[in-house]
Amino acid sequence: GAVVSQHPSWVICKSGTSVKIECRSLDFQATTMFWYRQFPKQSLMLMATSNEGSKATYEQGVEKDKFLINHASLTLSTLTVTSAHPEDSSFYICSARGYWGQGADEQYFGPGTRLTVT
Amino acid sequence: DAKTTQPNSMESNEEEPVHLPCNHSTISGTDYIHWYRQLPSQGPEYVIHGLTSNVNNRMASLAIAEDRKSSTLILHRATLRDAAVYYCILVKAAGNKLTFGGGTRVLVKP
Repeated sequence: GAVVSQHPSWVICKSGTSVKIECRSLDFQATTMFWYRQFPKQSLMLMATSNEGSKATYEQGVEKDKFLINHASLTLSTLTVTSAHPEDSSFYICSARGYWGQGADEQYFGPGTRLTVT
Repeated sequence: DAKTTQPNSMESNEEEPVHLPCNHSTISGTDYIHWYRQLPSQGPEYVIHGLTSNVNNRMASLAIAEDRKSSTLILHRATLRDAAVYYCILVKAAGNKLTFGGGTRVLVKP
């Protein structure tokens, strides 16, 4: 149980285009999802917290108009990188926190999406 | 947020135990101690967490100091698959956001 998937696993896009990344909780309902970014040889950096049915909360320094987050259902959150530029190339990872009756409070991470902007 | 301090790297031989220390001297009474690990080119994986008492699960054991200012993650028999970056993170409440530090890179030698 507690599987989180991401799609696509990797994507290459041209500068100026937009890219959408999906994050799904496959076997549980995720009231809260988180989006992280990780540059090579660095640690994960939290970008935003996504709550089902409400606006995302962005971390300081993260442009909300550039990184659009939609958490329309209890199993799906999407991150859209708008007008992508080469400096947006990174490894994007989502995680989900869910309740399934066992008081679990750990987070479960997706496998990540590698974005390369040319 | 309370900070954690971990060694940059550790080496271990296969089949031997690995003890990963984490210092968190500014921990507050409601902070949970979480451990995650990240294998190369993958998302992090939950390992274990605790509050005050030592914890065991199928992956590892977590030993928490009596004053809670430090903890140790114990991998009882390291395998090559355990080579990863291990992160010790303090979490204020159930499911709250995680702040990742540098972690400890574990190398397992055959």
